Amino acid sequence: ETGVTQTPRHLVMGMTNKKSLKCEQHLGHNAMYWYKQSAKKPLELMFVYSLEERVENNSVPSRFSPECPNSSHLFLHLHTLQPEDSALYLCASSQLGQESFYGYTFGSGTRLTVV
Amino acid sequence: GDSVTQMEGPVTLSEEAFLTINCTYTATGYPSLFWYVQYPGEGLQLLLKATKADDKGSNKGFEATYRKETTSFHLEKGSVQVSDSAVYFCALSDKNTGNQFYFGTGTSLTVIP
Repeated sequence: ETGVTQTPRHLVMGMTNKKSLKCEQHLGHNAMYWYKQSAKKPLELMFVYSLEERVENNSVPSRFSPECPNSSHLFLHLHTLQPEDSALYLCASSQLGQESFYGYTFGSGTRLTVV
Repeated sequence: GDSVTQMEGPVTLSEEAFLTINCTYTATGYPSLFWYVQYPGEGLQLLLKATKADDKGSNKGFEATYRKETTSFHLEKGSVQVSDSAVYFCALSDKNTGNQFYFGTGTSLTVIP
């Protein structure tokens, strides 16, 4: 496996379910990000982890709970979601201090549908 | 604060037409500039970048030149193909703000045969 891998690719869940999204990066990066991409809206940065510490939480509702157990893995735990949470959730990684040269590397995303 | 503004879409072109997608930026320092492409059902992929003024980034026939005087980084391609149909995002990373990334809203391109 190379790059940034997200699983599952598609997820349908009811509003009372609990599920988790997984992201794994094989690039040796030390920063990871969750973004939400909704139709006809700009990319929304949700969470930033730097050296496995959460450094940013952009006013995301508590029904989204991130976890970064090590520098290669990032999870987004979901519970009691609303239909408006249906979106493409993108994970990205970067090497701290080198973003201006190498940019971010994104996964293919998880398409989440809340019913 | 830092920001990126790109032209609204959607853009529809015939195959072999010339493409320009405008992007302008606001930054406190001297940012690096990027174009990302998102094909249907996929995540964002880095298309090209430029790290300083007057640099030209290029890849897959696409080009963009970092113009500090006009704070612009317009994406161009001389002859688009159907396979170029995607959403294109302009972005910047500014060392003055800890290398945080700022993305534009994306421009959807559809190329018809």
